Amino acid sequence: EVQLVESGGGLVQPGGSLRLSCAASGFTFSSYEMNWVRQAPGKGLEWVSYISSSGSTIYYADSVKGRFTISRDNAKNSLYLQMNSLRAEDTAVYYCARDHPDSGAFDIWGQGTMVTVSS
Amino acid sequence: SYELTQPPSVSVSPGQTARITCSGDALPKQYAYWYQQKPGQAPVLVIYKDSERPSGIPERFSGSSSGTTVTLTISGVQAEDEADYYCQSADSSGTFYVFGTGTKVTVL
Repeated sequence: EVQLVESGGGLVQPGGSLRLSCAASGFTFSSYEMNWVRQAPGKGLEWVSYISSSGSTIYYADSVKGRFTISRDNAKNSLYLQMNSLRAEDTAVYYCARDHPDSGAFDIWGQGTMVTVSS
Repeated sequence: SYELTQPPSVSVSPGQTARITCSGDALPKQYAYWYQQKPGQAPVLVIYKDSERPSGIPERFSGSSSGTTVTLTISGVQAEDEADYYCQSADSSGTFYVFGTGTKVTVL
């Protein structure tokens, strides 16, 4: 079964750091581009970051540029999001999503992991 | 920053047709995608490349494009179609992805 499972969410104080992980299974992870997408409570979806299959190309939303770092380990079939200098407005469910190479769609999503930034 | 605009809500009776629009300046150059999200669940892709339907998605879901507007049409709406729907695309350079503001579809 094709699956993405996020982990690493939790409660963190403003200014703190957190590292999210996304474990992929059921497909050749190294062949796919990946993304992080977040959703604040009661709000819409917000794209956060993209990484190419090799990790050589990376993009960030302006709202997280300079604070978040996306990375991947193809040998471990894992995607990561290092989040530093966290703010209250970063509070959200964070989803990892597979970027289908032919369609460009986010065709597979994880179940999400909740990040709460609060003192 | 680039934005995709959707109506906040659409209400429709069972069996009728729901149309959700999404407007953005780069849509003539970039494909659009549509996602359905039910409460407490992850989004699900329902339309890709403006009008293509993934396997497993009912035929009542269709997409179209005209200029700076793309449209998701749900024909013969069923109660199970009640959900939030988001369009998604990229800016003209293709380096930033963006989601629409979201539309809540209510089945009366």
